[in-house]
Amino acid sequence: NAGVTQTPKFRILKIGQSMTLQCTQDMNHNYMYWYRQDPGMGLKLIYYSVGAGITDKGEVPNGYNVSRSTTEDFPLRLELAAPSQTSVYFCASSYGGQGPQPQHFGDGTRLSIL
Amino acid sequence: AQSVTQLDSQVPVFEEAPVELRCNYSSSVSVYLFWYVQYPNQGLQLLLKYLSGSTLVKGINGFEAEFNKSQTSFHLRKPSVHISDTAEYFCAVHPGNTPLVFGKGTRLSVIA
Repeated sequence: NAGVTQTPKFRILKIGQSMTLQCTQDMNHNYMYWYRQDPGMGLKLIYYSVGAGITDKGEVPNGYNVSRSTTEDFPLRLELAAPSQTSVYFCASSYGGQGPQPQHFGDGTRLSIL
Repeated sequence: AQSVTQLDSQVPVFEEAPVELRCNYSSSVSVYLFWYVQYPNQGLQLLLKYLSGSTLVKGINGFEAEFNKSQTSFHLRKPSVHISDTAEYFCAVHPGNTPLVFGKGTRLSVIA
C-alpha cells in the first residue's frame, strides 16, 4: 500500500499565483486532513473532511480552499499565494470508525512563495 | 478548548542515556493521547497511543509513555537512546469528535 501520497514534494511560487496541492490515500479512510507546519509552531489544521462531499474549517483556513469529491482525494487550493503561506504542508487520513483513530501522514509538500 | 503543551522545545542527550520528553494537556472531556515522531524530511509516524486501560503505554522503537490523569500529563520516555532517535516528537490530544490538537514539538538531538 502506498498510504497517503502528496504531490508535488517541492514548489516555488510567485506572489499572486495559484496552485493545487494534491493528496490521495488508498486506505479507504473516511477522514482526511490538511495541516501546515512552521518552525517551532507544530502543526496547524487548515481544513478537514469526514467524508466525500463534506468539508470543515480548521484553525487556519484563510487563503485556502478544499474539495472532497471522492473518498481517495482531498486537494488543497491556494488561490492568491502570499509569502505568509510559505510552509510545509501535510495531508493525513484516518479511519472514521468508533473512537479515536490514529492519523496517517504523507511526506509533505514544501512550498516557498517569493 | 483542548490544548497540548510540550514543555521543552529542544532536548540534547548523549547516546545510551535515558530521555524524557514532557507533555501536558488540558481537556474538559475524556481524552485520548498520542505521540508522533517526525524524522527529517518525512511526515509524522505514530509512536504510541493511550485510549483507555493501563496508564503505561508501550510503543515502537523502545519508547513508552505514562498517562497521569491527576497531573494531566503524558510524558514520553526511553531508557537508552540511539543516534537514530534524533527527530522531532509531537504530543497530540484527541478531544473526541474533533481532529487532533498537536503540541509545538520537541526536537530530540542524540549526541555521540
